Amino acid sequence: GNSVTQMEGPVTLSEEAFLTINCTYTATGYPSLFWYVQYPGEGLQLLLKATKADDKGSNKGFEATYRKETTSFHLEKGSVQVSDSAVYFCALRPLQGAQKLVFGQGTRLTINP
Amino acid sequence: DAGVIQSPRHEVTEMGQEVTLRCKPISGHNSLFWYRQTMMRGLELLIYFNNNVPIDDSGMPEDRFSAKMPNASFSTLKIQPSEPRDSAVYFCASTPSGSYEQYFGPGTRLTVT
Repeated sequence: GNSVTQMEGPVTLSEEAFLTINCTYTATGYPSLFWYVQYPGEGLQLLLKATKADDKGSNKGFEATYRKETTSFHLEKGSVQVSDSAVYFCALRPLQGAQKLVFGQGTRLTINP
Repeated sequence: DAGVIQSPRHEVTEMGQEVTLRCKPISGHNSLFWYRQTMMRGLELLIYFNNNVPIDDSGMPEDRFSAKMPNASFSTLKIQPSEPRDSAVYFCASTPSGSYEQYFGPGTRLTVT
């Protein structure tokens, strides 16, 4: 079956620290991979995506590389800001599936000034 | 552009009462998703529609839950009778044809006492 496993939170960092949130997946075939972000009191919004192996998705200083050999899609940012405090969800879309996404459990990130 | 609209934003009700949550997807989007988010279970897909037709309702917890999409611009999720364990944030999301990016609404926070 298809599943996504994320690094357990919560994660607390100081401003300007380096961020990594781990995500690994299990899927048949070659899925598309996503990171969504949920700011306090809001719905999820797409942060970045990658549709094939070795693709790098990037947005707002965040990056993630689709690693087929390790079935991973880790989220990174070189210098986090207080405004990055949110819950981050890794997700996959099975290549041959319909429109639905499979989400990880989410990782809560808090950045302290 | 208006995003996905959900109403009400907050609902407090007593156990045994009927609850109806409403969603207006983004105009032109042809897929609609209902999710439930709790601390214990994370984000769960309940049901999704494509062109107003239910495609996958395997996530609907039990017969107390029902969802309808009478037209392309409106969907409801009904719980009858409600129970305290239904307390959660319920999200609606929509997707345009040919895309896999889901646009989430702000959610409805349901509390059943």
